[in-house]
Amino acid sequence: EVQVLESGGGLVQPGGSLRLSCVVSRFTFRTYAMSWVRQAPGRGLEWVSAISSVGGTTYYADSVKGRFTISRDNSKNTLFLQMNSLRVEDTAVFYCARGLNPGGPYYFDSWGQGIRVTVSS
Amino acid sequence: DIQMTQSPSTLSASVGARVTITCRASQSVNYRLAWYQQRPGKAPKLLICQASNLETGVPSRFSGSGSGTEFTLTISSLQPDDFATYYCQQYYSNPVSFGGGTRVEIE
Repeated sequence: EVQVLESGGGLVQPGGSLRLSCVVSRFTFRTYAMSWVRQAPGRGLEWVSAISSVGGTTYYADSVKGRFTISRDNSKNTLFLQMNSLRVEDTAVFYCARGLNPGGPYYFDSWGQGIRVTVSS
Repeated sequence: DIQMTQSPSTLSASVGARVTITCRASQSVNYRLAWYQQRPGKAPKLLICQASNLETGVPSRFSGSGSGTEFTLTISSLQPDDFATYYCQQYYSNPVSFGGGTRVEIE
């Protein structure tokens, strides 16, 4: 069974930074696109960012463009999300998800359990 | 950007009932439509891709249909495990987008 495990969440002040990590196992990480999807408290799902299998192509939602950076280390089966200039409205549970539909756009068949990010003073 | 609209936002039904959820896209997404189930406090689970292709292991009481701008998710006989929130997602163009969700509650 595919395993996806996020870490790095927590409480941060507005304007601060946080780096999320997602370690995966039991599938060939380097052959899949990956994505981050978030869910604000009591709200629906919002796609945040995606990266192609070899990391050459990245995509961002307008709401995070210029503030968040997605990256991956295929040698360590790890996906990252560097979040800068955080805002209160970035408060959410962030999910790491495996993307399907080679070449994109992606849908998501395996998800982590989610990691909570709270932006508050 | 493509907007996805689900209806209803909340649905109350009994065990054994037939349930239908609708998802509409602001422009055609062809067949590039996925459905997810999310139970409280849990990650979403992929149920259906390509509008009607059931994922391995998903019970056959779930089915999807539609193309273009209008899609439906049907649960033929609601089971206790099915009380959850359901989301559609288009993957026809970037940015991919989700519907607002339909919460299925016990009547």
